[in-house]
Amino acid sequence: EAQVTQNPRYLITVTGKKLTVTCSQNMNHEYMSWYRQDPGLGLRQIYYSMNVEVTDKGDVPEGYKVSRKEKRNFPLILESPSPNQTSLYFCASSSLAGGSYEQYFGPGTRLTVT
Amino acid sequence: SQQGEEDPQALSIQEGENATMNCSYKTSINNLQWYRQNSGRGLVHLILIRSNEREKHSGRLRVTLDTSKKSSSLLITASRAADTASYFCATAPGLTQGGSEKLVFGKGTKLTVNP
Repeated sequence: EAQVTQNPRYLITVTGKKLTVTCSQNMNHEYMSWYRQDPGLGLRQIYYSMNVEVTDKGDVPEGYKVSRKEKRNFPLILESPSPNQTSLYFCASSSLAGGSYEQYFGPGTRLTVT
Repeated sequence: SQQGEEDPQALSIQEGENATMNCSYKTSINNLQWYRQNSGRGLVHLILIRSNEREKHSGRLRVTLDTSKKSSSLLITASRAADTASYFCATAPGLTQGGSEKLVFGKGTKLTVNP
């Protein structure tokens, strides 16, 4: 089954404790992206990647890092999480062939930083 | 940078009625997409309309695009309780503004369909 998976689905952590949220897709998509969703603000793009070893900042990259060493994986790293990073995070992927850009979303990771 | 803005923010209708949601955006686009999100879950792609298209249909969905007014509408006909969800428009900026990789989402319309 074609899907985007994220782990963990729920995470409660403390300020300053490094964490990684994993994202994996099995559709051989070139494009992957991370979003955060906050009440009243909608979805905002954190980082995106057009292919292996190619990443770029979205609208709200501060406090986050990403890497794209393999085509299927796109982990999101919070080196020193802060309470303002409490949010619902989504990973998405898309094929760049044919110019459709339809994005497939993972189920989300609900992060709470205390 | 928020590009698409949906209107209304919330919409409550009875089962069987039609639901219309609107989206306005500010800059030129390559395409405009509509997504659906059930509470707290991942978004699901519904339909994509390209900048050179004016109308598109998919099942009970009808999307229109007016590039001169920088607006789009999503019509759901004969709504069902299962259509209850939030609906988001997302715009892919034109190539001159960074390319379609930077899909920009609006804040969504929360649709409630009462049985």
